[in-house]
Amino acid sequence: AQSVTQPDIHITVSEGASLELRCNYSYGATPYLFWYVQSPGQGLQLLLKYFSGDTLVQGIKGFEAEFKRSQSSFNLRKPSVHWSDAAEYFCAVVSPNDYKLSFGAGTTVTVRA
Amino acid sequence: DTGVSQNPRHKITKRGQNVTFRCDPISEHNRLYWYRQTLGQGPEFLTYFQNEAQLEKSRLLSDRFSAERPKGSFSTLEIQRTEQGDSAMYLCASSSDLSREQYFGPGTRLTVT
Repeated sequence: AQSVTQPDIHITVSEGASLELRCNYSYGATPYLFWYVQSPGQGLQLLLKYFSGDTLVQGIKGFEAEFKRSQSSFNLRKPSVHWSDAAEYFCAVVSPNDYKLSFGAGTTVTVRA
Repeated sequence: DTGVSQNPRHKITKRGQNVTFRCDPISEHNRLYWYRQTLGQGPEFLTYFQNEAQLEKSRLLSDRFSAERPKGSFSTLEIQRTEQGDSAMYLCASSSDLSREQYFGPGTRLTVT
């Protein structure tokens, strides 16, 4: 069965520290991969995407993600977290022959001063 | 580019009433998607349109739910005889045929009392 797993429900990080959010997927073929961020009461904003090519992709707000085919993972990273990065982060995938997104359950990030 | 808009942003209704939500996609996008998000979960796909054609419906979309996109522009999602379990955030997204990137609106939060 196809699935997207975000193993960490909640992560707390100090302002200025690095952040890594994990995402694993189980799909028949390598899907297209996305990370979205959702602030409280808001819709989802696209941070970055991976379709093919270079496995390290850069996104907005200083985020990057690395696709690792051997581990079926697409982890999101940020070298130095700002208080405004406190939000919920969702990994999403779509099969190459489909259009509907499948989302993980999300990781809530809390930033402490 | 004004982004995806949704109205209303919040709706409180009594059980058994009908509700209708509207989504206006990004103007040049011909694909439009509806998702539902409950507290602590990632969005779940409901249905999507290519122009005015409804191409796929999730089994989550019971016969009380109907979606339309009559002229291939805005879309409406109607829920008849609402139940408390329908309480959720309803998200709309749009994309172009050339890209799998979906851009989300702010959502409509439905509370059924």
